[in-house]
Amino acid sequence: NAGVTQTPKFRVLKTGQSMTLLCAQDMNHEYMYWYRQDPGMGLRLIHYSVGEGTTAKGEVPDGYNVSRLKKQNFLLGLESAAPSQTSVYFCASSTPLAGVGETQYFGPGTRLLVL
Amino acid sequence: GQQLNQSPQSMFIQEGEDVSMNCTSSSIFNTWLWYKQDPGEGPVLLIALYKAGELTSNGRLTAQFGITRKDSFLNISASIPSDVGIYFCAGLGTGFQKLVFGTGTRLLVSP
Repeated sequence: NAGVTQTPKFRVLKTGQSMTLLCAQDMNHEYMYWYRQDPGMGLRLIHYSVGEGTTAKGEVPDGYNVSRLKKQNFLLGLESAAPSQTSVYFCASSTPLAGVGETQYFGPGTRLLVL
Repeated sequence: GQQLNQSPQSMFIQEGEDVSMNCTSSSIFNTWLWYKQDPGEGPVLLIALYKAGELTSNGRLTAQFGITRKDSFLNISASIPSDVGIYFCAGLGTGFQKLVFGTGTRLLVSP
């Protein structure tokens, strides 16, 4: 049981290039999330998904797209990278516990540098 | 976007000391979570709190869900060097579960 995994771990892009970050979870969780973490800003939600085939915008969605074609995978795409997208990206997953609550489990992160 | 007020921002303590940090919000939350993040790693869940007034321990860590549902605190007893890291609180509101994060408390422990 690997939990939440992310690939790649680190990437350098030039402005205008595109790339896709992959998140995979093996816990059969319904919900998946993409966050970015910047110094002094904590974690901010980019997009999220409540189930296979559904996605929604979070707090800072501009410049990103996502897809959830399979329950275990959540992809984050940058169509035209900008230096402002230099950040550490975290994926998380969770499942609601009826009558109790919910916890989110995070991947190890992808460090992206846009030059 | 909404963030929780977490304090202190940073702490530098001696090994063996106890530590306390807290989070406050203007909004009510139904779940409070405490995470620890080591350098270069993702946040790791330490404690989850689901009921107002709940006090939960995990080894040397103790956390409480405030009665008003607008605050939570985390205590670490008898700190050790491996406690070094950034501690984040996070709250989950009603409806769809989107986490709101605190800005973090950076803990440094001197041997």
